[in-house]
Parts: sequence; C-alpha cells; structure tokens
Amino acid sequence: IAGITQAPTSQILAAGRRMTLRCTQDMRHNAMYWYRQDLGLGLRLIHYSNTAGTTGKGEVPDGYSVSRANTDDFPLTLASAVPSQTSVYFCASSDYLGPTDTQYFGPGTRLTVL
Amino acid sequence: QKEVEQNSGPLSVPEGAIASLNCTYSDRGSQSFFWYRQYSGKSPELIMFIYSNGDKEDGRFTAQLNKASQYVSLLIRDSQPSDSATYLCAALSNDYKLSFGAGTTVTVRA
Repeated sequence: IAGITQAPTSQILAAGRRMTLRCTQDMRHNAMYWYRQDLGLGLRLIHYSNTAGTTGKGEVPDGYSVSRANTDDFPLTLASAVPSQTSVYFCASSDYLGPTDTQYFGPGTRLTVL
Repeated sequence: QKEVEQNSGPLSVPEGAIASLNCTYSDRGSQSFFWYRQYSGKSPELIMFIYSNGDKEDGRFTAQLNKASQYVSLLIRDSQPSDSATYLCAALSNDYKLSFGAGTTVTVRA
C-alpha cells in the first residue's frame, strides 16, 4: 500500500505558467487536503475536500483551484504561477471527520516559481 | 497572530534528557490537538493526539492538555538523537480543519 503519492517531487516553473500538482491516495479516505509549508509560517491549508464531488477553501486559497472527481485523486492547479507560490506543497487525507480525525501526509512537492 | 503558537526554539537537549515542547491555541472551540514530527525534507508524521484534559502517554512521549489555559505540551523522555526533528502542534477546529503552529526544532546532542 503506497498511502499518498504526489507528483512531481519537485518542479521549477516560470512565472505565468499553469501547473497541476497531482495527489493520489489508495486508502479510500473520504477527506483530502492541500497545504503549503513556508519557513516560519508552518503548514497552511489551501483547499480541502470532505468527500468526492465537494471542495472548500482553506486559509490561503487565492491563486489555486482544486477538483475532486473521485475518492482517490485531488489535483491542485496554479492557473498562473507567481513567485510567492514558491513553497513545499503537501497533500493529506483522513478517513472521517471527528475529534480523532488523523491526517496522513504525502511526501510533498517542492515548487519554485521564477 | 496565528491560531496556534509554539515556542520558537530551536531546542537543544542532551541525549537521555527530557525535551519539553509547548503550544498555545486561540480557538476555544478546538476539539482536539495533534503532535506531528517532521524530519528535514520529509513530510509530517503523527506522534499522538489528545482531546481530554490531562496527560496521555505513548511510549516515551507524553502529551498534556489544559483547555482552561488553552495550552498543550509534549514531553519526550529519554531523548535520543533520532528524536532530532521539527515538532508541529495542530488544533482541530469544530469544522474539522487543522491549524498548525510554525513548529519547534529539537536537536538531541549525543
């Protein structure tokens, strides 16, 4: 069982380009999340999906979009990348929504926007 | 101000000592609290969670929660060099969203 996979592992992108970060989980978890991690700021929630077919905005959604067509996949798209989107992006998933809801993280994508 | 604040660190402790990590949160409606460990260049991995006031022990780790003071802590007993990492505190809101602190970096000196 792989858990959560993310692709690519790292990417250097020119400003203004469109980019999709891929996330796939094989745990059949209902909820999925996208975070960005920046030095000194910790992990910040970008978008989330509580179940297939639904999505919601997190703390820092501007410039990003997501879709959740099925349970396993939760891609994150940067429509027109800007240098401030340089970060490490983590996808996470959790099985259910409750007080002991544990989120499991993918290996991350390191994105540099020049 | 972040919803979850952690002591900034870095924290350096000798091998075998106790490492004490602190965290405060602002949302009184937070349901439960999680401690994640993150090695450099890796993804966060769960150590433990706590949702009732008091202490919860798991091996060498003890989490403590005081909801009245909005305070969470993690103690690492008998610290080992392999415990050297960044520790992230997170609070789960009523709508099941995690808010993370910026993390505390711990170095265990052999």
